[in-house]
Amino acid sequence: GNSVTQMEGPVTLSEEAFLTINCTYTATGYPSLFWYVQYPGEGLQLLLKATKADDKGSNKGFEATYRKETTSFHLEKGSVQVSDSAVYFCALSDLTSGSRLTFGEGTQLTVNP
Amino acid sequence: DGGITQSPKYLFRKEGQNVTLSCEQNLNHDAMYWYRQDPGQGLRLIYYSQIVNDFQKGDIAEGYSVSREKKESFPLTVTSAQKNPTAFYLCASSIQGAVGTEAFFGQGTRLTVV
Repeated sequence: GNSVTQMEGPVTLSEEAFLTINCTYTATGYPSLFWYVQYPGEGLQLLLKATKADDKGSNKGFEATYRKETTSFHLEKGSVQVSDSAVYFCALSDLTSGSRLTFGEGTQLTVNP
Repeated sequence: DGGITQSPKYLFRKEGQNVTLSCEQNLNHDAMYWYRQDPGQGLRLIYYSQIVNDFQKGDIAEGYSVSREKKESFPLTVTSAQKNPTAFYLCASSIQGAVGTEAFFGQGTRLTVV
């Protein structure tokens, strides 16, 4: 079956630091990959996605590249802000799962001024 | 504005009582989902529905029930059989079957058993 593994958190950074959150996956088909963000007390919002190998998703300064050879989709940002403090979820879906998403455990990010 | 609405935001329930969480969407999506989120954990799928009048169990369906009588609505009932119902519940919807389609989430309902 499908599964997603994220780096363990929580992650604490200072403002303007470089961020990497690792995500690796196992899938039976050719998955689409997603990063979602959850701010405190809220639902999830799509941050970025990639639907085929070597695609790069990007949004709000965040980037992630779909690496089929390493089955990875690591999230990066060059300079984090306090407002980026949230929980980040990596997820996948493929044709065998229809539109259903399989999520990683989530990584709590705290950015200090 | 198109979106997905969950109500109420906070819900308290006494042990032994059933309670129903509401989820409504006006995105014209065929697929709808219920997830449970516990502190420090990822999202676990409770039930999903790909079309009106049809739904399937997810990974943790025991103690829960759903209905899908209208395309817009997918209510979740937490029954007294659910042994540990205190959690954050998230409803989502998406286009059915499209590759790479994203899911849209509601704001969640926090259920506390007192």
